[in-house]
Amino acid sequence: GDSVTQMEGPVTLSEEAFLTINCTYTATGYPSLFWYVQYPGEGLQLLLKATKADDKGSNKGFEATYRKETTSFHLEKGSVQVSDSAVYFCALRDSSYKLIFGSGTRLLVRP
Amino acid sequence: SAVISQKPSRDICQRGTSLTIQCQVDSQVTMMFWYRQQPGQSLTLIATANQGSEATYESGFVIDKFPISRPNLTFSTLTVSNMSPEDSSIYLCSVVLQGMNTEAFFGQGTRLTVV
Repeated sequence: GDSVTQMEGPVTLSEEAFLTINCTYTATGYPSLFWYVQYPGEGLQLLLKATKADDKGSNKGFEATYRKETTSFHLEKGSVQVSDSAVYFCALRDSSYKLIFGSGTRLLVRP
Repeated sequence: SAVISQKPSRDICQRGTSLTIQCQVDSQVTMMFWYRQQPGQSLTLIATANQGSEATYESGFVIDKFPISRPNLTFSTLTVSNMSPEDSSIYLCSVVLQGMNTEAFFGQGTRLTVV
């Protein structure tokens, strides 16, 4: 079945460092891809999305490009802030609108 | 967007008892789902709540343990039955709106601790 694999955390960075969180997927069809973020003590929020190959999703300085040839959707940010500390989930959505999540990657940004 | 109200936000329950979680949405939605997030883990889909009919359960989840109701397009309940400590998790309601915006929205979750 469909699945999502994310890099394990925690990822610890200094403020203003470059961030990459790897995400790859396995799917039989043409899923939509998402990054969700869960800040400490808060609910799950959509960070960005891409619905077809070569689409680039972006929000709050974060970007991810839907790469069909490598089945990847890596999350990047050029300069992280302390406020970006959270858990990030990569997810795919199949044609039935079900979401399949990766294991989550905890990001800790130090001042 | 959608505003999802999930109740209770947290509870501590005795093993062997049951808890019903409510999910109320401020607009009519196409799809409603229930997810579970075990401590330190990712989210796993429990079931799709179908309006006016029985829910569709994912592998590993059964109706006797997690009965779900969805009497209309804006409301659903999930019951966690005969609880054990292994049921301690965050339970989340998720909805997909009608129309072109098919983004999924999540409730704040219900943090359940079984003692």
